[in-house]
Amino acid sequence: DAGITQSPRYKITETGRQVTLMCHQTWSHSYMFWYRQDLGHGLRLIYYSAAADITDKGEVPDGYVVSRSKTENFPLTLESATRSQTSVYFCAIKPTGGRNTEAFFGQGTRLTVV
Amino acid sequence: GENVEQHPSTLSVQEGDSAVIKCTYSDSASNYFPWYKQELGKRPQLIIDIRSNVGEKKDQRIAVTLNKTAKHFSLHITETQPEDSAVYFCAATHNSGGSNYKLTFGKGTLLTVNP
Repeated sequence: DAGITQSPRYKITETGRQVTLMCHQTWSHSYMFWYRQDLGHGLRLIYYSAAADITDKGEVPDGYVVSRSKTENFPLTLESATRSQTSVYFCAIKPTGGRNTEAFFGQGTRLTVV
Repeated sequence: GENVEQHPSTLSVQEGDSAVIKCTYSDSASNYFPWYKQELGKRPQLIIDIRSNVGEKKDQRIAVTLNKTAKHFSLHITETQPEDSAVYFCAATHNSGGSNYKLTFGKGTLLTVNP
């Protein structure tokens, strides 16, 4: 599983509810990313983090909040879920330094907002 | 920011034929171009990548070419097999000290290999 775990794998929530998607890595890689995948849009970056306590917006950050108090965890929170946030969410990690520049993805979380 | 365009969005070939997927990028500072394969219901996984100091790279039936001047790169799959059927994504990023390493993806190509 490349040392990255997302939870839950599937989630159904109601409009207006707060929901948090978890991402955990067993390594200590600095860079972590959240992408959403929608048909016709590919993978779009929501937020990313260069290190603990350092986060920044990606292409589609509105309606999402992230935090990174510990290097190994990078939770994504939908503060008030909307139907347009129904999607598959992927967390990714990336080693830094050396020649290894591959980004590894988690298994994904399929979120449905009803 | 970076913008990556990918074509075609769908591609259907007969088993044994070749498949070519093309991508263009906008940021001349981008220097790392990976290709990911995503099977139905699975996570994207890296299949091949190329850095800007290289024009072509091969790995068995898969090859990637890069034209920095024209800002485009392509994935070539030869002797396609049914198990090559998947969605393929190209991506671009600027990998260097001080950069944020974030990948910008194309919208994907659904490749179907017909037996």
